[in-house]
Amino acid sequence: GENVEQHPSTLSVQEGDSAVIKCTYSDSASNYFPWYKQELGKRPQLIIDIRSNVGEKKDQRIAVTLNKTAKHFSLHITETQPEDSAVYFCAASKEDNDMRFGAGTRLTVKP
Amino acid sequence: DVKVTQSSRYLVKRTGEKVFLECVQDMDHENMFWYRQDPGLGLRLIYFSYDVKMKEKGDIPEGYSVSREKKERFSLILESASTNQTSMYLCASTPGTGGVYYEQYFGPGTRLTVT
Repeated sequence: GENVEQHPSTLSVQEGDSAVIKCTYSDSASNYFPWYKQELGKRPQLIIDIRSNVGEKKDQRIAVTLNKTAKHFSLHITETQPEDSAVYFCAASKEDNDMRFGAGTRLTVKP
Repeated sequence: DVKVTQSSRYLVKRTGEKVFLECVQDMDHENMFWYRQDPGLGLRLIYFSYDVKMKEKGDIPEGYSVSREKKERFSLILESASTNQTSMYLCASTPGTGGVYYEQYFGPGTRLTVT
């Protein structure tokens, strides 16, 4: 089955700096890659996703890039703010009911 | 607005007890999922269901079973709770059937402690 690895496990940045979280996947058939944000004590929520026919997607300060050849994808957050502090999960899927998550990255944005 | 609810936010049970965790979604979603969340291990899939009375094992089904008698309700059962099942349990649902990709809507989670 699919195996998703996520790095780093923790990340601390100064407010205004950029943050990058990287994930690799094992199954070349995977073609949907969402990112979820989980704030402390709350449920995970989708923040951005990308499909395999696209190399990059951007939504305001958040962008995701996908390299299908290397089987890795990354989340980029620019101009970080304290409210970006949360745990971020990447995931990979080739069918709607076959999603696998990474171990998560705890991002801390220091004011 | 999709709502996924779970029967308890916090639960404390004794070793050997039978434990029921319930999840209900109100948007007529086809697929429902149970995950456990542990620090450093992320979200691991226990079981999922793509239709009433249908279930599939995820990556860590041992020690768990599930029931889906109605479309809106998906129950996770710990037949004989053990201390290594102390964890946060998250339920999720998606509207789709195979071949289309949807956001997973998560419930608020149940923090289960087995003593």
